[in-house]
Amino acid sequence: EVQLVESGGGLVKPGGSLRLSCAASGFSLSNARMTWVRQAPGKGLECVGRIKRKTDGGTTDYSSPVKGRFTISRDDSKNTLYLQMNSLTTEDTAVYYCRGVGSAFDIWGQGTMVTVSS
Amino acid sequence: DVVMTQSPLSLPVTLGQPASISCRSSQSLVYSDGNTYLIWFQQRPGQSPRRLIYRVSNRDSGVPDRFSGSGSGTDFTLQISRVEAEDVGVYYCMQGTHWPWTFGQGTKVEIK
Repeated sequence: EVQLVESGGGLVKPGGSLRLSCAASGFSLSNARMTWVRQAPGKGLECVGRIKRKTDGGTTDYSSPVKGRFTISRDDSKNTLYLQMNSLTTEDTAVYYCRGVGSAFDIWGQGTMVTVSS
Repeated sequence: DVVMTQSPLSLPVTLGQPASISCRSSQSLVYSDGNTYLIWFQQRPGQSPRRLIYRVSNRDSGVPDRFSGSGSGTDFTLQISRVEAEDVGVYYCMQGTHWPWTFGQGTKVEIK
């Protein structure tokens, strides 16, 4: 079964850092188009970053609000995607989802909550 | 960034009746490869989003055929031919043509 499971969310103070993980099973992360999407409480969906497939160069892109603060990486040996978040602000409070797109699937994890508060 | 505008934002529907959601983009969603990367997602209460339609009109596996997508360029529509109770939730369009990919505000479908 194709599945994504996020972890690493929690409460962090403004200016702090957090690293989210997204473990994949049933497919190889390096062959999928992976994205991190967030949803602030009661709000809509926002793409924060993506990492291309290895065959497409494996490069990363970010949205303006997180560029320079967030970094996406992938550990192929663990089949896990990461989102390193630095210099967090209250505006980053949200549920963070990882999303994977392959030739025959489009799947989302269950999400992990990140709360930035003093 | 490409702005995606959905309407209506709230859609009360009678069971068994049709429903239609509009999604407009601030620029053309035709990619250089000729494809149009317009996607529709459904988010049921308390759940993660689920893709229903990709590339404007292609239904995902397992999606009931009462869901259909249409449109071109900057104007797109999601139609539900006969709304069922399990269709309650928020529907989002998303463009995957121009980075950053952007979503519409969401349309909340509820039963009257």
